[in-house]
Amino acid sequence: QVQLVQSGSELKKPGASVKVSCKASGYMFTNFAINWVRQAPGQGLEWMGWINTDTGKPTYAQGFTGRLVFSLDTSVTTAYLQITSLKAEDTAVYYCVRDGFKDCSRTSCFDYWGQGALVTVSS
Amino acid sequence: QSVLTQPPSASGTPGQRVTISCSGSSSDIGRNYVLWYQQLPGRAPKLLIYNNHQRPSGVPDRFSASKSGTSASLAISGLRSEDESIYYCTAWDGSLSTWVFGGGTELTVL
Repeated sequence: QVQLVQSGSELKKPGASVKVSCKASGYMFTNFAINWVRQAPGQGLEWMGWINTDTGKPTYAQGFTGRLVFSLDTSVTTAYLQITSLKAEDTAVYYCVRDGFKDCSRTSCFDYWGQGALVTVSS
Repeated sequence: QSVLTQPPSASGTPGQRVTISCSGSSSDIGRNYVLWYQQLPGRAPKLLIYNNHQRPSGVPDRFSASKSGTSASLAISGLRSEDESIYYCTAWDGSLSTWVFGGGTELTVL
């Protein structure tokens, strides 16, 4: 079965960096894009961008450009999210999400979600 | 502030039918398909509806959705206690080149 398993919670100081991993299994990793979505405590969902798992090309949402790095290690079917220059307002649960395009009538759909990784930024 | 507008709360009694609205604009819902997600407390969101009205396998047919113009709605019939959750709509915004979400609607089953 399709699974996305993320790394654990992180506590970071302002200005530091964090790297979250997302291990995919149960499907052909390079056939489906990975998106990143975050959710601040008690708040709604915010899309951060996506990475083409076939080419490795990342696309970042406006407002995040410059502080985010999406990367892959296809040999271990894992996607990574790195955030630099962390601020208190980056405190959130970060989700990796598969775009099930091929399984959703060739329309984008976020069909499988990781369990989330809580990143807390505090001095 | 969310780009798509949803009522913050909705409620119904077991067996009832409830609808949740999602209002957008010509650059998002008006031009692209809508998806709906269900998020139980402390859990990751779950895909309920894609491509405006289609259900992934495993989602009961009690859940249905539609889109008209720049608005969409999710309907839940035969309401059950396990439907208590937060529901989010989302669509691609071609002007912003981003997926935009509604603020979420918290459904209470009385």
